[in-house]
Amino acid sequence: KAGVTQTPRYLIKTRGQQVTLSCSPISGHRSVSWYQQTPGQGLQFLFEYFSETQRNKGNFPGRFSGRQFSNSRSEMNVSTLELGDSALYLCASSLVLAGGGDTQYFGPGTRLTVL
Amino acid sequence: AQTVTQSQPEMSVQEAETVTLSCTYDTSESDYYLFWYKQPPSRQMILVIRQEAYKQQNATENRFSVNFQKAAKSFSLKISDSQLGDAAMYFCAYRSGGSEKLVFGKGTKLTVNP
Repeated sequence: KAGVTQTPRYLIKTRGQQVTLSCSPISGHRSVSWYQQTPGQGLQFLFEYFSETQRNKGNFPGRFSGRQFSNSRSEMNVSTLELGDSALYLCASSLVLAGGGDTQYFGPGTRLTVL
Repeated sequence: AQTVTQSQPEMSVQEAETVTLSCTYDTSESDYYLFWYKQPPSRQMILVIRQEAYKQQNATENRFSVNFQKAAKSFSLKISDSQLGDAAMYFCAYRSGGSEKLVFGKGTKLTVNP
């Protein structure tokens, strides 16, 4: 089975621009979560989507948004980029078992640099 | 809110020896899961081992095992027979039973010396 894929792997943008990152989950996985990883703040949860609905959201400004499509693929968007948005953005997918307890599997990440 | 603490920013071990990475967490929940993830320099986050809070038996995966002390809210990772390929950042993570959200510790950088 193919793993979680993320595109693009690297992005360079300038302040004020917007960016869209894409994530394709493992086949059959219905939940997609997004995390931001920075040297200062570590790994922080952005949001989670299941069946095209956002179920959970982290403590990030409204400039960060996402969506999930019917095939479970997900995108996240960051508008009006700031220098502090430079980070590795990780996507993770999981099956969502009926009794809970499933594991999240991560993609390779998208490295975003804001100049 | 749940928190995860990894008190060792860096650790080193000689090849073939054993090393233990520490993790403590804070929660008032009874239904939760704990994970150790490994992130090598290539940056791909890889699951090492997981533990269900309701299970008393410590999880084991080949050379990796955990010491889960529920009352003490401690979840340490033991790596036996360390290999050069074990060098990576190791993250301890917590997940509530009813959520997909992972709460991560700051990580421990493990160096394996030949």
